[in-house]
Amino acid sequence: NAGVTQTPKFRVLKTGQSMTLLCAQDMNHEYMYWYRQDPGMGLRLIHYSVGEGTTAKGEVPDGYNVSRLKKQNFLLGLESAAPSQTSVYFCASGRDSQYNEQFFGPGTRLTVL
Amino acid sequence: DAKTTQPNSMESNEEEPVHLPCNHSTISGTDYIHWYRQLPSQGPEYVIHGLTSNVNNRMASLAIAEDRKSSTLILHRATLRDAAVYYCILYTGNQFYFGTGTSLTVIP
Repeated sequence: NAGVTQTPKFRVLKTGQSMTLLCAQDMNHEYMYWYRQDPGMGLRLIHYSVGEGTTAKGEVPDGYNVSRLKKQNFLLGLESAAPSQTSVYFCASGRDSQYNEQFFGPGTRLTVL
Repeated sequence: DAKTTQPNSMESNEEEPVHLPCNHSTISGTDYIHWYRQLPSQGPEYVIHGLTSNVNNRMASLAIAEDRKSSTLILHRATLRDAAVYYCILYTGNQFYFGTGTSLTVIP
């Protein structure tokens, strides 16, 4: 099993450009999450999904959109990138909510110039 | 405001026990306490979680105060591979709230 994979690993954008980050999991998990991590800080939840076709806002959702068209994939979109969105983005999946562990991907390092 | 508070850094000698504290004074009755750790340039890794009772697994123990306003992650014998940033996390309302973490240094 590959676990949780993220594409791409690195990306540099110019202000105003758009992009989509892809998260894929092969563990048949219902729950999926997108986090961002800024230097010296803990992770903050952007959006999450409790099942195929569902999405919900997390702690810092502004400037991002998500979609969960297939159970194994969770996409994070930036419609108009801003320098404040420079961060490392982590995707995670879990069998359910608070009762079990989350499995994290390796992260995507995004720089917005 | 942060839902959990942790010391920025701690040191431990190799093969000695380590107690990593966390304060979560605003915790509610249904909030779970989770701990994850993160090695440099990697995603976080699950360590342990609990609700009210103390919990043990192969990696660590979690001691939860009776009033649940604080908890302590216990690594029984620190190894060099345990050097990481340890995050105390509250799970509430379908969301995980990470603290800023404690950077653990293990001294050989």
